[in-house]
Amino acid sequence: AQSVTQLGSHVSVSEGALVLLRCNYSSSVPPYLFWYVQYPNQGLQLLLKYTTGATLVKGINGFEAEFKKSETSFHLTKPSAHMSDAAEYFCAVTPSGYSTLTFGKGTMLLVSP
Amino acid sequence: GAGVSQSPSNKVTEKGKDVELRCDPISGHTALYWYRQSLGQGLEFLIYFQGNSAPDKSGLPSDRFSAERTGGSVSTLTIQRTQQEDSAVYLCASSYWTSGYNEQFFGPGTRLTVL
Repeated sequence: AQSVTQLGSHVSVSEGALVLLRCNYSSSVPPYLFWYVQYPNQGLQLLLKYTTGATLVKGINGFEAEFKKSETSFHLTKPSAHMSDAAEYFCAVTPSGYSTLTFGKGTMLLVSP
Repeated sequence: GAGVSQSPSNKVTEKGKDVELRCDPISGHTALYWYRQSLGQGLEFLIYFQGNSAPDKSGLPSDRFSAERTGGSVSTLTIQRTQQEDSAVYLCASSYWTSGYNEQFFGPGTRLTVL
C-alpha cells in the first residue's frame, strides 16, 4: 500500500522568496511520484513527475523536485515565488504507470507581495 | 474536445435524492478514473475503468455509489440516497494506455452539495 504525507496544510511566502513544499511517501515498491497544482475552481494540472532515471526533475512554471529514496521524500521547490503560484499543491504516488494515484492532503501556497 | 469535461459543474440536491455525474474523457483515452475531493480528506480514489476489463471499484465508499462507462467512452457516476457527507468535488481523469507511465488528465470537477 502507498501513502503520502504533505507537511503543512498552508505555506506562506513572500513574492521572490524560495518555495519549499514537503512530501514524504511510503511505498512497498519503487514508486512513481507526482506533483499536481490546482487553481481555484479548476481541475488538477500536472507540474512534474518522477518515473525512472534522473532524480532531479524539472516541471512547468520553474518548479522542480528531487526524489530522495533514502529519505522517502519528493519535495517541491521553486527559487523565486510569483503571485501566480498561489494555489493548492498535491503530491501523489502510484506503484506503477497503470495504477490509480494516492494523493496527499494538499498544501495551500499563499504568496504575499 | 481538447480535455476532460464534466457535467454539471455544480449540483445542489436534497438529502435522500439520487444524483448522476457525467464525465467525457479525452478522445482515444482508454482508462478513466473517478476521485473525490472533500474538505479534510484530500483526494480519494473511487473507481477505475480500463478498456473492457472489469472496473476496479475498491475505492467506492458504500453501495450507494456506482459507476458505468458506456462504449468505452463517457462515464456516469451515480450516488443513490445522497447523504450530507457525500458533499464534495468529484473529479474525473482519463489516460491513454501504453507501456510505461500513463499520465492522468483531470477534468474541472463537479461540486456536489447535499442539503
